[in-house]
Amino acid sequence: DVKVTQSSRYLVKRTGEKVFLECVQDMDHENMFWYRQDPGLGLRLIYFSYDVKMKEKGDIPEGYSVSREKKERFSLILESASTNQTSMYLCASSGGGQGARFRQPQHFGDGTRLSIL
Amino acid sequence: AQSVTQPDIHITVSEGASLELRCNYSYGATPYLFWYVQSPGQGLQLLLKYFSGDTLVQGIKGFEAEFKRSQSSFNLRKPSVHWSDAAEYFCAVGASSNTGKLIFGQGTTLQVKP
Repeated sequence: DVKVTQSSRYLVKRTGEKVFLECVQDMDHENMFWYRQDPGLGLRLIYFSYDVKMKEKGDIPEGYSVSREKKERFSLILESASTNQTSMYLCASSGGGQGARFRQPQHFGDGTRLSIL
Repeated sequence: AQSVTQPDIHITVSEGASLELRCNYSYGATPYLFWYVQSPGQGLQLLLKYFSGDTLVQGIKGFEAEFKRSQSSFNLRKPSVHWSDAAEYFCAVGASSNTGKLIFGQGTTLQVKP
């Protein structure tokens, strides 16, 4: 089975801090994704990556950046945390290269519940 | 633009009763469709997927879904619900841009009465 591991289940930070959320997958997947999930808004895509050192903006990238230095690891960075970034953050990965990505299911980690005080 | 609609935000059923969760999609070509389940405090788990072929798809935990092109629907069903099925359910469609993106519905929360 695919294993997607997020480094923290719960995290509390202060406004203005730089926050790192880490995600590691063990299936040699090309594609990785970061979402945030808020009540009534469903899952919203922040950033995604389909190769090392490559990244693409999702629907709500403002206030976030990402890093993918190794294939198995995809980090989400909150450059200067704000209270409106309090949320559940979900990482996912999927296989498939060019021409096959959209057929692949995504496999999710257990999420990081981030609180910004 | 592609979209996924789950008309029911919240559904309550009695344990042992049948279940149907609705999902409608907007997509020009043959869609790649998925159903996920999220238990409280957990990530999303894939229940089943549809790519082509037989329009009735079997998944894990006794769930099935039927693809109906004429209705642009992909409804999730289970003949007899168990208390452990209480969770949030998400329908998703693979985005056409070949980025691997999924377009998710807003989710349906299932409550199971004893």
